[in-house]
Amino acid sequence: DARVTQTPRHKVTEMGQEVTMRCQPILGHNTVFWYRQTMMQGLELLAYFRNRAPLDDSGMPKDRFSAEMPDATLATLKIQPSEPRDSAVYFCASGPDRYYGYTFGSGTRLTVV
Amino acid sequence: GENVEQHPSTLSVQEGDSAVIKCTYSDSASNYFPWYKQELGKGPQLIIDIRSNVGEKKDQRIAVTLNKTAKHFSLHITETQPEDSAVYFCAAGGGQNFVFGPGTRLSVLP
Repeated sequence: DARVTQTPRHKVTEMGQEVTMRCQPILGHNTVFWYRQTMMQGLELLAYFRNRAPLDDSGMPKDRFSAEMPDATLATLKIQPSEPRDSAVYFCASGPDRYYGYTFGSGTRLTVV
Repeated sequence: GENVEQHPSTLSVQEGDSAVIKCTYSDSASNYFPWYKQELGKGPQLIIDIRSNVGEKKDQRIAVTLNKTAKHFSLHITETQPEDSAVYFCAAGGGQNFVFGPGTRLSVLP
């Protein structure tokens, strides 16, 4: 089965450090999303891309988060500097079309201490 | 923007019984309604979806109904099995992206 691959699966870092999370979307999918999941807020959309162009990143704290798609096979989410409140599971998802369900990766569990 | 509510937040059923999860949405422009199942330690997985031109859709033991007038949709699971235990999320959208409901934790008791 085609899958969305996220790395790393787990990341523990100290407050103030830079964190980079990577996602390899399913080949041929032109829409890529970044979500954050916490117990308190549930699934929150951070940003999404269509054909590698950012369409909406209004869910991201602009001063510390950035999302990019350097090519069609890689999406990145960076946090600099990281803070304890950023601790969450970050999911990448990709899809072929806005009218189809998206495939989620297994997530990156981030802990900022 | 879209706002999705989901009820109940937790649901326990006996194996073999049916489970129903209900969602309401606010944006009448939403026209696509997927349901996701999330097992512990995994990402959400699409299990069924429905578009606004359809009132009901069924796939084996799961079915989804949509009432666009009332702006609500429901997930029905029949003959529940222990492996159905998970968190279920509804979502609504279709323009560019979805808004997810807060989730329902379903426990199927043997």
